[in-house]
Amino acid sequence: GIQVEQSPPDLILQEGANSTLRCNFSDSVNNLQWFHQNPWGQLINLFYIPSGTKQNGRLSATTVATERYSLLYISSSQTTDSGVYFCAVARDSWGKLQFGAGTQVVVTP
Amino acid sequence: DTEVTQTPKHLVMGMTNKKSLKCEQHMGHRAMYWYKQKAKKPPELMFVYSYEKLSINESVPSRFSPECPNSSLLNLHLHALQPEDSALYLCASSQDRTGRRNQPQHFGDGTRLSIL
Repeated sequence: GIQVEQSPPDLILQEGANSTLRCNFSDSVNNLQWFHQNPWGQLINLFYIPSGTKQNGRLSATTVATERYSLLYISSSQTTDSGVYFCAVARDSWGKLQFGAGTQVVVTP
Repeated sequence: DTEVTQTPKHLVMGMTNKKSLKCEQHMGHRAMYWYKQKAKKPPELMFVYSYEKLSINESVPSRFSPECPNSSLLNLHLHALQPEDSALYLCASSQDRTGRRNQPQHFGDGTRLSIL
């Protein structure tokens, strides 16, 4: 199956800092999503971004499908940004999402 | 993603009990999914329903039995579970994905299941 690698595995940020999370995938995909899982376990859709660039407030994402990677940018981080960020991809029309291992982000005051 | 509603939020059951998890969406999505997530691990797909028909079973043990009574509802029936089945169970839905570019999946808040 398709391999999804996320880096870094852990990230500690001071409030107000910027950061970049990376997702590499091993094959062409037709779905790529970024999620934030908060400490209560809620999995929140951040972006549906199989290609191109999108922005939503302090978050933005870019996927370069031809080079098989996606980046998630967090600017001016806040303590509420803490949690695990997952990248997930699907290659086939059955919609089977394959998740990466996630990046654990801790934002300190 | 609060458009997918899962009940109950928490469930504690013994190994001999029978219980069911429920998932509901009213977005008109025609594909629905069950995922299992163990602590500090990513979600893993269990089942996919498309147009109320089971299309993928990821070799899940028969003690988990999915059911899709209509396009808005998805159940997961549990029987004779083991302690290692304790996990967060997530439901998701997406728009028609048959023969088209994948659509984003929207997740519910999950049911946290503990097996005694």
